[in-house]
Amino acid sequence: ILNVEQSPQSLHVQEGDSTNFTCSFPSSNFYALHWYRWETAKSPEALFVMTLNGDEKKKGRISATLNTKEGYSYLYIKGSQPEDSATYLCASSSASKIIFGSGTRLSIRP
Amino acid sequence: EAQVTQNPRYLITVTGKKLTVTCSQNMNHEYMSWYRQDPGLGLRQIYYSMNVEVTDKGDVPEGYKVSRKEKRNFPLILESPSPNQTSLYFCASSLDSGSLGGELFFGEGSRLTVL
Repeated sequence: ILNVEQSPQSLHVQEGDSTNFTCSFPSSNFYALHWYRWETAKSPEALFVMTLNGDEKKKGRISATLNTKEGYSYLYIKGSQPEDSATYLCASSSASKIIFGSGTRLSIRP
Repeated sequence: EAQVTQNPRYLITVTGKKLTVTCSQNMNHEYMSWYRQDPGLGLRQIYYSMNVEVTDKGDVPEGYKVSRKEKRNFPLILESPSPNQTSLYFCASSLDSGSLGGELFFGEGSRLTVL
């Protein structure tokens, strides 16, 4: 994998359901994996930064895992709420660059 | 309040008219970077700076210049803007300039239209 790839591109989820999406990244020269939440008309805001293989981080109903050996990270949202509607960006950083994926756009249906 | 400030937030200009988008951070961060966001393409890095007087090209540097004379400021210069530079621009900074394990703090974005 040469680029950071996210899937799916978009996702529609019923309120109350749980969901997850994927970020794949180059495993060579890896330093850290970032997850950002980007709401419409706002700036991206950091959710998590993970560096170690096997890292798991949690913030409220949102959690993330990291597998640096195979080059992927999952973001999980438990019990989706309307305020979770946003684009979720992941980014992989090496020594000097941070490369972003194109994001997963999440919409929550009430 | 810790923040990254960009100006202008919105600008409509014409082809060839030089412009500068300013970026300033008050967190004493070493690392600063400029990104452009275009539909379906995510955030693409234009230039970055690891510290004062140290700048380097990102993935899409053509048509842009930057400077880092002071730690807090990292202006983006379009010497001769063209319509393909119409985009949403974000400045970001991070405390960590080495391993880049630190989170990025983003400015509010500057929407630029070049006619």
